[in-house]
Amino acid sequence: DSGVTQTPKHLITATGQRVTLRCSPRSGDLSVYWYQQSLDQGLQFLIQYYNGEERAKGNILERFSAQQFPDLHSELNLSSLELGDSALYFCASSVVGGAGETQYFGPGTRLLVL
Amino acid sequence: GEDVEQSLFLSVREGDSSVINCTYTDSSSTYLYWYKQEPGAGLQLLTYIFSNMDMKQDQRLTVLLNKKDKHLSLRIADTQTGDSAIYFCAETLGDSSYKLIFGSGTRLLVRP
Repeated sequence: DSGVTQTPKHLITATGQRVTLRCSPRSGDLSVYWYQQSLDQGLQFLIQYYNGEERAKGNILERFSAQQFPDLHSELNLSSLELGDSALYFCASSVVGGAGETQYFGPGTRLLVL
Repeated sequence: GEDVEQSLFLSVREGDSSVINCTYTDSSSTYLYWYKQEPGAGLQLLTYIFSNMDMKQDQRLTVLLNKKDKHLSLRIADTQTGDSAIYFCAETLGDSSYKLIFGSGTRLLVRP
């Protein structure tokens, strides 16, 4: 158990819908990362937050957005969903998001868009 | 550019050693990691190596880094059936995010 929790574990929805994925980092970790794992793109970095502020953006679509709240949990919002958004979404956390820090991964949320 | 490559599949017999290889292109890589993903599970950090090191050993795991060739390998000694999983090589660069850039993963199958 990494100490990172993600809800829900599974999500099935239809095209055009909007969903919210939730992540609680390990106790004491200030930095949260979101990654997407899909069959065609592999594991890709989406976005990083540190202590409530966005720090870095990767290959995140404009239809997707995220935020980190004062209690440090984070939410990833996916809107206008398309079939290709079906993937496993991971959250990871680290202490401050600095060099050499271990990123601890949650179990992921499996999203299926029908 | 950022690119990490791995072979897709490796099959070994139980008790043998497994060697999983990875190449990366960005010379500014600072840390290189090996993660394990079991079916239906998240990513588990196995080990990591700082880019100024050549080797790191941790129980059955040995990581070798050839910085000149940008080649990283993970050796698993006495491979067990429980080691069957997908192994991801990942790097972090020297930018402020230290985001992980992953390879495509190597599926290791351990035959009894």
